[in-house]
Amino acid sequence: SQKIEQNSEALNIQEGKTATLTCNYTNYSPAYLQWYRQDPGRGPVFLLLIRENEKEKRKERLKVTFDTTLKQSLFHITASQPADSATYLCALAADSNYQLIWGAGTKLIIKP
Amino acid sequence: GAVVSQHPSRVICKSGTSVKIECRSLDFQATTMFWYRQFPKKSLMLMATSNEGSKATYEQGVEKDKFLINHASLTLSTLTVTSAHPEDSSFYICSTTPHTDTQYFGPGTRLTVL
Repeated sequence: SQKIEQNSEALNIQEGKTATLTCNYTNYSPAYLQWYRQDPGRGPVFLLLIRENEKEKRKERLKVTFDTTLKQSLFHITASQPADSATYLCALAADSNYQLIWGAGTKLIIKP
Repeated sequence: GAVVSQHPSRVICKSGTSVKIECRSLDFQATTMFWYRQFPKKSLMLMATSNEGSKATYEQGVEKDKFLINHASLTLSTLTVTSAHPEDSSFYICSTTPHTDTQYFGPGTRLTVL
């Protein structure tokens, strides 16, 4: 069955450092992968989408890579700030109907 | 991005009552909406895909008679939890897609059944 794993339940990073989150998947060949941010008690907010033919995508302090051979995506936040503290979810395109398959998320804590 | 509202944001009810949650797409016509359920520290679990003017498509294991979905207009989908029980307590979130690859989420509804 299709499976998505995000590297850890929680990640503590010192302010100013680069935070790197991992998303691994198995039994799957998605056309694209997305990253979302979710704050406590709120719905997820879309951050970035990367397609299978793209190696890297950037948006301000965010960078996403997609390695279809390793079946892995890395999500980087450079110059991290306490305001970046949240849970980050990766999601893969399902086979049809615009559905997404979701990872459980990584809770990122940026310490001042 | 698209704006999606959900109402109520929080509801507490007694066991055996029914609860209706509304999901509205405020700035585009959403022919497709998704309903999710989320437990603490767990992944989003897709419950059903709601299509305007037709019956919702439920995921395996989700009781359609328990979780009634109505998508009567292009801007509104409702989820009714019928005869709610404590095990139905959860965070319910809807999302829409303007038929692109991205989903836009509502703020979620926290349901607590006593």
